[in-house]
Amino acid sequence: GENVEQHPSTLSVQEGDSAVIKCTYSDSASNYFPWYKQELGKRPQLIIDIRSNVGEKKDQRIAVTLNKTAKHFSLHITETQPEDSAVYFCAASNSAGGTSYGKLTFGQGTILTVHP
Amino acid sequence: DAGVIQSPRHEVTEMGQEVTLRCKPISGHNSLFWYRQTMMRGLELLIYFNNNVPIDDSGMPEDRFSAKMPNASFSTLKIQPSEPRDSAVYFCASSLALAGARVTDTQYFGPGTRLTVL
Repeated sequence: GENVEQHPSTLSVQEGDSAVIKCTYSDSASNYFPWYKQELGKRPQLIIDIRSNVGEKKDQRIAVTLNKTAKHFSLHITETQPEDSAVYFCAASNSAGGTSYGKLTFGQGTILTVHP
Repeated sequence: DAGVIQSPRHEVTEMGQEVTLRCKPISGHNSLFWYRQTMMRGLELLIYFNNNVPIDDSGMPEDRFSAKMPNASFSTLKIQPSEPRDSAVYFCASSLALAGARVTDTQYFGPGTRLTVL
């Protein structure tokens, strides 16, 4: 089955700096890669996702890049703000053939702390 | 849309007691997922259903855990008997998975149930 590794486990930055979180996956058939943000005591919420036919996607201060050859994808947050402090999870899914039923394999999470 | 609904939000019980967690997925979604989250083990997938049928329960830790989905709008996760190591936040999530589709839709999480077993 799919295995997703996420690094780093913790990341501390100063407000205004950029933050990068990286994930690798094992199943070359995976074709959907969402990122979730989980604030303390809250539920994971989707912040951005990318599909395998796209190499990069951007939404304001956040962007995700995908390298299918190397089987890794990354989350980039620019101009970080204290409210970006949270746990970030990457995930991967293989929907080819319609047999995944939407199952996601999650990385272990990255605790991002943005210092004012 | 009300989103995924879970109840109760908090549950405190004593070791040996039966615990039932409830979930109502987003209307129209046909895949439902139960996760457990702890500091030590992160986010673990316990079981998931598609069209009310259990697809994979390999993440269920022990026979003490069971899950049902009697209809498209309701699922339960039961722990009997409960143990202190079951203390965690349990999330339910739902998505729309179309048969034969090559596109995975967004998975939405409920607010979670924080379970404490004393």
